[in-house]
Amino acid sequence: NAGVTQTPKFRVLKTGQSMTLLCAQDMNHEYMYWYRQDPGMGLRLIHYSVGEGTTAKGEVPDGYNVSRLKKQNFLLGLESAAPSQTSVYFCASSPLTGGMNTEAFFGQGTRLTVV
Amino acid sequence: GESVGLHLPTLSVQEGDNSIINCAYSNSASDYFIWYKQESGKGPQFIIDIRSNMDKRQGQRVTVLLNKTVKHLSLQIAATQPGDSAVYFCADLFGNEKLTFGTGTRLTIIP
Repeated sequence: NAGVTQTPKFRVLKTGQSMTLLCAQDMNHEYMYWYRQDPGMGLRLIHYSVGEGTTAKGEVPDGYNVSRLKKQNFLLGLESAAPSQTSVYFCASSPLTGGMNTEAFFGQGTRLTVV
Repeated sequence: GESVGLHLPTLSVQEGDNSIINCAYSNSASDYFIWYKQESGKGPQFIIDIRSNMDKRQGQRVTVLLNKTVKHLSLQIAATQPGDSAVYFCADLFGNEKLTFGTGTRLTIIP
């Protein structure tokens, strides 16, 4: 039972390079999220998806793109990495049925450094 | 803009004492709140949640209180243990789909 798996766990990019972060969940959850967490700060929502084929912008979407072609996968893309995108990225999934205890499950994070 | 925020960035508590972590929210339309715990190097983990039609909810050693009048919620941890040392976030579910987080409070349990 893997839960939420993020790939890769660490990455160093040069400014201007592109990359894709993969998030995979095996819980058949409808909702998936991408967050970034900077030192001493909370998690800021980048993009999210409420189902296969859908995506929506969060609080800090600029410089990122996402795709949800399959229900179990949520991809986060950086087309042209910038040093300001150095951060720890977390993916989460949730059934979010609106009832109680509809918790979001988080991956272990991807530490990205852009030099 | 609307946001979920915390009053204090750090809190130190003697082991065995109770701790209270506070959170203020500004979106009066928020109707679902969640507390998460994040240990160093890990992703956040769900602790407890509460809906706006409730004032209080209890779990194992944790209690969440919601005061809608002043748009404030708190997390109480009873009989703190060393394993409670972590960063605690409150989160707000808006429109039943957008989950946003506050800044966080670092709780340190002093042995």
